[in-house]
Amino acid sequence: SAVISQKPSRDICQRGTSLTIQCQVDSQVTMMFWYRQQPGQSLTLIATANQGSEATYESGFVIDKFPISRPNLTFSTLTVSNMSPEDSSIYLCSVEELAGVGETQYFGPGTRLLVL
Amino acid sequence: DQQVKQNSPSLSVQEGRISILNCDYTNSMFDYFLWYKKYPAEGPTFLISISSIKDKNEDGRFTVFLNKSAKHLSLHIVPSQPGDSAVYFCAASGSGSARQLTFGSGTQLTVLP
Repeated sequence: SAVISQKPSRDICQRGTSLTIQCQVDSQVTMMFWYRQQPGQSLTLIATANQGSEATYESGFVIDKFPISRPNLTFSTLTVSNMSPEDSSIYLCSVEELAGVGETQYFGPGTRLLVL
Repeated sequence: DQQVKQNSPSLSVQEGRISILNCDYTNSMFDYFLWYKKYPAEGPTFLISISSIKDKNEDGRFTVFLNKSAKHLSLHIVPSQPGDSAVYFCAASGSGSARQLTFGSGTQLTVLP
C-alpha cells in the first residue's frame, strides 16, 4: 500500500490562528480524503480532494473554515482556519487504492492539534 | 443518525481465545465493508474488507462475516494476541460517487496475557 506522511505530527495553537497540515504520498493517487477524529469520537469525513478539481465538502464543513489544496497527484494540504478549542482533534488524510476485494482507503499517521 | 454502529465500546479477551467484534449498519446502499485497527498516536491501519456479494472473507487470523439480511458484520480474531489490543473501527461505503467511508464509533479490544 501507499506510504503516507503528514506534517506536522502535532501542534499546539492559539485561538484565532490558522494551521496548514500537509499530506504526502509516495505514489500517484487520484482520490485523497481528509478526516477529523475529535476526542473520544469516531472518524468523520471533512472533504474529498481530487486533483484538478475543487474539493467536495461534507455536510457541516465549509471551504472558508477548511480550505484544501491538491496541486498534484501526490500531495494535499488542509488548513484549519480561525481556530477555536473545538477544533482540537486528530486530522487524518487518506488515499484510495485498489486492494483485495475493492477500493480501500489507507491512512496517514495523523496530525494531533490542540487549540488553546 | 448513526449509519454504522458499534454498540460495544470495549471488549476484554484472554490471550489465545477468540475475539468477536460486532458492527451494525442501517443504510442498505452500503456494499463494501472494512475493518481498521488503530493504536494511540497512529492512523488507522486497514485490516480486512468484504464485498456485499460475499458472506465471509478470511485473512490469516482475521475473518469478517457479513449478514446482509440482518445488516450486521463481525470481525473474528483467533487466536487473540496481546499485540491485537487496539481500537477497532468498522467502516462502510457505497459504490461510485458514494465511496466515502462511514465509520462506526470503535471498540477498544484488550487482550489479556
